Amino acid sequence: DIVMTQSPDSLAVSLGERATINCKSSQSVLYSSNSKNYLAWYQQKPGQPPKLLIYWASTRESGVPDRFGGSGSGTDFTLTISSLQAEDAAVYYCQQYYTTPYTFGQGTKLEIK
Amino acid sequence: EVQLLESGGGLAQPGGSLRLSCVASGFTFSNYATSWVRQAPGRGLEWVSGIGDSGDTTYYADSVKGRFTISRDNSKNTLYLQMNSLRAEDTAIYYCAKSREEQLGGLYDYWGQGNLVTVSS
Repeated sequence: DIVMTQSPDSLAVSLGERATINCKSSQSVLYSSNSKNYLAWYQQKPGQPPKLLIYWASTRESGVPDRFGGSGSGTDFTLTISSLQAEDAAVYYCQQYYTTPYTFGQGTKLEIK
Repeated sequence: EVQLLESGGGLAQPGGSLRLSCVASGFTFSNYATSWVRQAPGRGLEWVSGIGDSGDTTYYADSVKGRFTISRDNSKNTLYLQMNSLRAEDTAIYYCAKSREEQLGGLYDYWGQGNLVTVSS
């Protein structure tokens, strides 16, 4: 199984500041035949299902604010929130959909400082 | 508007069974793979099982293989999860999730609101 490891487990960032969450996979999720990274980021708020933010490592889902950005390739990925808003307080998960079992990172809890 | 409405959860005894259902609307259900993802109380997300658009291909996490069965009825726009030999560690909120793209499993753009399954004596 591909193990997804996020860092940090939690962080507190001030409003308007940048937040960065890292995700590392135990093996590459880059599919050579199409040069796509099978990596997604989700946001989950209490009592709600996850919401897709980013897929193919860097493609923003429709309706997601452009302050959310994804980067990385192969085994190392980053979710960046460029200017933190109050509504961004949530738990963020990375997930690989390269192969089954599709695995998630353990989650990163983002709080407002 | 895409909607996924789960039902069938509740309390089961260890060793018992439950069947979850997820009724889909707002999209052509038969064109998309779908999955079940669970979340134990206060814990992270765990992919449980997935099924292809026609129902011919199924996949399971090792933790549920041999105990859970995923299926779908495209004429009823419904996804199922038959859960047998339930254990305390199966206690979780179970989400059904729709694949974002045809012919691609594992990437989910819509999720149900979740259905709580509690396994306890």
